[in-house]
Amino acid sequence: IAGITQAPTSQILAAGRRMTLRCTQDMRHNAMYWYRQDLGLGLRLIHYSNTAGTTGKGEVPDGYSVSRANTDDFPLTLASAVPSQTSVYFCASSDSRSATTDTQYFGPGTRLTVL
Amino acid sequence: GQNIDQPTEMTATEGAIVQINCTYQTSGFNGLFWYQQHAGEAPTFLSYNVLDGLEEKGRFSSFLSRSKGYSYLLLKELQMKDSASYLCAAMDSNYQLIWGAGTKLIIKP
Repeated sequence: IAGITQAPTSQILAAGRRMTLRCTQDMRHNAMYWYRQDLGLGLRLIHYSNTAGTTGKGEVPDGYSVSRANTDDFPLTLASAVPSQTSVYFCASSDSRSATTDTQYFGPGTRLTVL
Repeated sequence: GQNIDQPTEMTATEGAIVQINCTYQTSGFNGLFWYQQHAGEAPTFLSYNVLDGLEEKGRFSSFLSRSKGYSYLLLKELQMKDSASYLCAAMDSNYQLIWGAGTKLIIKP
């Protein structure tokens, strides 16, 4: 079934620990994105990738890093988690980032709690 | 700065019509998106407008006025399954989506 998968579904993490959220898509989309969604706020872009081998910073990149070694995978790493990173994280993909009619498809999300 | 405003919550009756408004301010403009998000699930695409006017897609329609920085999503013949949050997002000149906080729509029998 085509789409985006994320892992884990949820995670409780101690502050200071390192954590990688995984995202894989099988639609051969060029562009991928990581968002966080917090109550009362809109989705906020953390990092994006226009194509394999390139990444860029979004609105709230501090404390997060990404890599895009191939088309399908776009992991998000928290080097040293802090409680303010408690959130729901969504990975998304689109055919390209430059097309104005491009639609983003979202994964099911990862609910992360940092204590 | 860039900003999207939409009501926090709305209530409507099953079978009725509801209009969810969205105003936006962005650096440049490359279109307006509406997404639906059921509780605990991922957002899913509903509509895209880049030209002024109304786009109709079944029970859902979306309107855009670029001069007013305004859009609305119109839902007709409401069904209980339409209970969800509706997210408005404007694409800026860098092709980045600026998202509103979402409007939670509650449908009552």
